[in-house]
Amino acid sequence: QLQLQESGPGLVKPSETLSLTCTVSGGSISSSSYYWGWIRQPPGKGLEWIGSIYYSGSTYYNPSLKSRVTISVDTSKNQFSLKLSSVTAADTAVYYCATELVVVVAATFWFDPWGQGTLVTVSS
Amino acid sequence: QSALTQPRSVSGSPGQSVTISCTGTSSDVGGYNYVSWYQQHPGKAPKLMIYDVSKRPSGVPDRFSGSKSGNTASLTISGLQAEDEADYYCCSYAGSHRVFGGGTKLTVL
Repeated sequence: QLQLQESGPGLVKPSETLSLTCTVSGGSISSSSYYWGWIRQPPGKGLEWIGSIYYSGSTYYNPSLKSRVTISVDTSKNQFSLKLSSVTAADTAVYYCATELVVVVAATFWFDPWGQGTLVTVSS
Repeated sequence: QSALTQPRSVSGSPGQSVTISCTGTSSDVGGYNYVSWYQQHPGKAPKLMIYDVSKRPSGVPDRFSGSKSGNTASLTISGLQAEDEADYYCCSYAGSHRVFGGGTKLTVL
């Protein structure tokens, strides 16, 4: 049974780069059936998809964040990571990592399971 | 890429049914049968309730059902229970990206 856990700094200064890692347990990040996604939720607001990565390194990004986002995968550590550059207070949010089924492989789409989420605050 | 449109809030009494709509475009909701719904209680991670428009994961009560017509997907909760009070989000596959709805707060009166 897959489990995901986010880790990283809870406080980032404006204009700096937010960096988070998601550790996958209970399965291999190199599975051909899954993408690995990042989703965020500003306090009191809705969910926003940030991007997803395949174990090969192929990525899809939210067009509104694409210029600032890099998602990478480390198969040797069963981890994938998020970097968001030039952050502002608007990037303050709970950041979730989640497993996404590969539609072209599984002919199914969902985000499940999710990590517990980690709050990142952008403040000086 | 715009968020899918959901009503900000809906409410119902215990035992009643409520329906939450999720409106997108032909590029997302209308273009694929890949809409999922998530339930989120305060301070918790979202939980998958419906996938592929109308399928239920194991463990989700059959009081939860989904459907789609054109560019609008819907989540119906019948026999409302107090524990159903939560935020609900739809999400659509859209080829090279994925898009969530703005969320709907369900209040059980």
